[in-house]
Amino acid sequence: KNEVEQSPQNLTAQEGEFITINCSYSVGISALHWLQQHPGGGIVSLFMLSSGKKKHGRLIATINIQEKHSSLHITASHPRDSAVYICAVEGGSEKLVFGKGMKLTVNP
Amino acid sequence: EPEVTQTPSHQVTQMGQEVILRCVPISNHLYFYWYRQILGQKVEFLVSFYNNEISEKSEIFDDQFSVERPDGSNFTLKIRSTKLEDSAMYFCASAQGAVYEQYFGPGTRLTVT
Repeated sequence: KNEVEQSPQNLTAQEGEFITINCSYSVGISALHWLQQHPGGGIVSLFMLSSGKKKHGRLIATINIQEKHSSLHITASHPRDSAVYICAVEGGSEKLVFGKGMKLTVNP
Repeated sequence: EPEVTQTPSHQVTQMGQEVILRCVPISNHLYFYWYRQILGQKVEFLVSFYNNEISEKSEIFDDQFSVERPDGSNFTLKIRSTKLEDSAMYFCASAQGAVYEQYFGPGTRLTVT
């Protein structure tokens, strides 16, 4: 059974700061998902990756398969980035295993 | 941009009653999922559905639960006899393929009293 750990659990930042959110998992996977959950509860998919690095706007996601670790970076953070960021992995089946999420608050 | 929709947004029901949560996945997607999130806890997988049958289910998805794609567009989750511990946010998701990006609906908040 895959265990997904995220760190930190909470983070408060000032607008403009560079933010890194970490995710580690215990068993080999076929893909890792980064999701964003807004205060109202809705979930948005940010990235799905199985190797290397992906970039979308101010967001960058990287994964190291050997280390079983992924990071999500937010450059030039903004208050609208305030949300819970969730890492989820899938390995060999369609079932997603979720981390607990990291609550990010960006203050103006 | 196409999106997954869910109805109702909030459902309140009494313990022991049956509820049906509805989802309309993105039209060209082939894989469908239900997840739940109990307040303050992490999201949990319930079931995946492909080619008109369940492809995988979790331990949570017991005989009280069933899923159906009744008309080729809707995807429903039925809970036969609700319990207090079924109170949660239920999310539907769909994807083009098995290891593809999943698109989530806005969720249905189920409250069992």
